[in-house]
Amino acid sequence: DQQVKQNSPSLSVQEGRISILNCDYTNSMFDYFLWYKKYPAEGPTFLISISSIKDKNEDGRFTVFLNKSAKHLSLHIVPSQPGDSAVYFCAASDTGAVNKLTFGGGTRVLVKP
Amino acid sequence: NAGVTQTPKFQVLKTGQSMTLQCAQDMNHEYMSWYRQDPGMGLRLIHYSVGAGITDQGEVPNGYNVSRSTTEDFPLRLLSAAPSQTSVYFCASSYLNRGSNYGYTFGSGTRLTVV
Repeated sequence: DQQVKQNSPSLSVQEGRISILNCDYTNSMFDYFLWYKKYPAEGPTFLISISSIKDKNEDGRFTVFLNKSAKHLSLHIVPSQPGDSAVYFCAASDTGAVNKLTFGGGTRVLVKP
Repeated sequence: NAGVTQTPKFQVLKTGQSMTLQCAQDMNHEYMSWYRQDPGMGLRLIHYSVGAGITDQGEVPNGYNVSRSTTEDFPLRLLSAAPSQTSVYFCASSYLNRGSNYGYTFGSGTRLTVV
């Protein structure tokens, strides 16, 4: 059973608008969450992270929100740009398993010019 | 600074053959790991290592073997390839201390097809 789920396999958005990617988790021991971005034929690259002691973290156009009670996090990209077209993975870890990441299935984002 | 280097980039194997996927990092990272990526499944952890001489199993270890004789290298061995092992394999490395992103660096992947 997947402990980290990204229920939307794909998302299409117009350039300049907001992209919202969602991620749900079931393991209450998870206390650190990360988003990775992946282009075809490349490895994933780190985008942004959030600790469970926070409910929001911002880095430029990217903001991650965490709702611990709902075991839900989301990634907002504002404004979306064509270069943001990629697959985005949500990942989680717990204090007892430092460095071991559990990934969601990914969401493919297409930003239309 | 090459980061994490994986070879080969592509490989086709026949069922029952064995092979080794190579992974090397030049960042002096203690932690190294292997993931496989399958459609809709995300990345699943196969094996990992927290330092030279120390390895452990991840979520999907069956059919794979690893060793860590040096800090830099972490090869993944397929003992007897099966079609279910057709996947894209990623090697990753990081420092052990938790930071903003663990310094997690991925290689560019090896696309393996078993026929």
